Amino acid sequence: GDSVTQMEGPVTLSEEAFLTINCTYTATGYPSLFWYVQYPGEGLQLLLKATKADDKGSNKGFEATYRKETTSFHLEKGSVQVSDSAVYFCALISGGYQKVTFGIGTKLQVIP
Amino acid sequence: KAGVTQTPRYLIKTRGQQVTLSCSPISGHRSVSWYQQTPGQGLQFLFEYFSETQRNKGNFPGRFSGRQFSNSRSEMNVSTLELGDSALYLCASSVDSLNQPQHFGDGTRLSIL
Repeated sequence: GDSVTQMEGPVTLSEEAFLTINCTYTATGYPSLFWYVQYPGEGLQLLLKATKADDKGSNKGFEATYRKETTSFHLEKGSVQVSDSAVYFCALISGGYQKVTFGIGTKLQVIP
Repeated sequence: KAGVTQTPRYLIKTRGQQVTLSCSPISGHRSVSWYQQTPGQGLQFLFEYFSETQRNKGNFPGRFSGRQFSNSRSEMNVSTLELGDSALYLCASSVDSLNQPQHFGDGTRLSIL
């Protein structure tokens, strides 16, 4: 079946550091890929998405590129802020949009 | 524009009981999906409803069921509760497809004693 693998963390970075959160997947066909973010005390919200190979999703300084050859969708940000502290979830939809699969979530903590 | 509203926020039940959770989607959204979030398993897809019909389903036992009303509001029911059902249950809505951005509610925290 479909699966999404990401490190659980926590990942601790200093402010202005470079961020990479790895996400790899297995899926049938050509899935759509998403990153969701959950800030402390809030619900999940969509951060960015990519629907086909080589697409780059971007939002709020974050970006991720759909790499079909490596089945990856790594999340990156050039300079993190304390306000980026949250849990980040990688997710995919496949099978004709019939099922959503989430990764375990990666907790990011940014310290001043 | 009001967001996705889930009620109640917290529930405490005992083993063997049943529970019903409610979700009101964003106005105009017709797709409602449900998820279970636990520390060990992460976020798992339960099912999706569209136009009052269950359109997609995850890998959960038949004790987990749901329905959707004509106004797109949805309810989820869990019967014969087990300790392992303790979790945060999240509802999300989108315009008409799982492939569109999901807008999540704050969830219902269910604790089984």
